[in-house]
Order: sequence, then C-alpha cells, then structure tokens
Amino acid sequence: DSGVTQTPKHLITATGQRVTLRCSPRSGDLSVYWYQQSLDQGLQFLIQYYNGEERAKGNILERFSAQQFPDLHSELNLSSLELGDSALYFCASSARGRQGAYNEQFFGPGTRLTVL
Amino acid sequence: AQSVTQLGSHVSVSEGALVLLRCNYSSSVPPYLFWYVQYPNQGLQLLLKYTSAATLVKGINGFEAEFKKSETSFHLTKPSAHMSDAPEYFCAVSDRVGGANNLFFGTGTRLTVIP
Repeated sequence: DSGVTQTPKHLITATGQRVTLRCSPRSGDLSVYWYQQSLDQGLQFLIQYYNGEERAKGNILERFSAQQFPDLHSELNLSSLELGDSALYFCASSARGRQGAYNEQFFGPGTRLTVL
Repeated sequence: AQSVTQLGSHVSVSEGALVLLRCNYSSSVPPYLFWYVQYPNQGLQLLLKYTSAATLVKGINGFEAEFKKSETSFHLTKPSAHMSDAPEYFCAVSDRVGGANNLFFGTGTRLTVIP
C-alpha cells in the first residue's frame, strides 16, 4: 500500500459526459501528479500540482482539467468524454524537497475509466 | 526533452535463466532513471532508481540495473527468473526542470517466464 488513495476504482460512463476522479496523496506530500495509461498512448504524464498550484503540464487535453485543494487532495475533471478517453488514470504524490533534488513518486491504484 | 525507449514489448525467458530488459534514454540533462513494475489491475511499484549516485543500482526482488552514460542505457537484469517475475516492466526518466520530477515512461515490456 503506497498511501495514495484514488476513488472511484472503476467508472463507466457514456460519450459526451463529464466525470471527476479524486486522489488523496500520502500524508505530508505536497506534490500530486496525474498520469493516463491507455493501450494507444501508453503511460503519459498529464499534469502536476504542488501545494495547490499548477507546476507542470504534459499531454493533457483541453477537455481535461485538474486542481489541488487546500487539504492537498486533487481532482481530475474529464469532460466531453470520447471513446478514446477510456484508460487507467493514476495519481502519484511526492514529498517536498530541495529544488532539483529527487523526490520519489508513490502511485495510487488507479481509476479505470470506461467510456461507452 | 527526456524520453526512454524500451526494446522489446514482450520478452520470454525460461525459469532460472537471466532476465535482461533493455532501456535506452534520451536526456538533455543528467537523468534520473527508474524501473517500475506493474501487476495486472494494480498501480506502479518502484523496483529501483538511479539518481546520480552509484552507477550499479540494486532494487527489490533481486533486480539490478546499471547506468551507462556512454551507451545511454539503463538495462534491468536479474540473474535467475522466477514465475512471479511475470508482470509488466516500465523504464522511466524524470524531468528535473524547475524542480519538477515528472516521469516519462517507455512503452513497457511484458515478461513471460516459461517453466
């Protein structure tokens, strides 16, 4: 158990809908990362938040957005869903560290999204 | 930009034989490199990491990897394969720009251990 929790575990929805995925980081971790794992694209970095602010952006679609709340949990919002958005979405968290120093990421179990 | 290439999406070895999973990286700065393992329907677990210390890195479950700058490689090895070694393995490089540690993953290698 990494200490990172994600809800829900599974989500089935229809095209055009909007869903929200939730992530609670390990206690004390200030950084949250979102990744998407699909058969087509593999594992891709989407976005990172640090202490409530967006830190880095990867291959995140404009239909997707995220935020990190004052209690440090994060939500990933996916809207106007398409069949190709079906994937496993992972959240990871890491502790605060020195600038440029390595901070290990701990991964949650993921949310499996199926768009029908 | 950082990236990794994993050679071979599927690798088969006999039980007890050497496991070798290949990973080559591309990075404009000295990289941090990682190997993760993923069991079916589970998250990613860190096997080992290279963060500019010793070039031969030992991880969990008998795995190790050697950072070779001249070959831009970070191959994963294990002396003797077990049946339990058959999940999927991902090599990753970290984006260290601005203190971020975002991971860029390879396409994964699925290991099959033949009894």
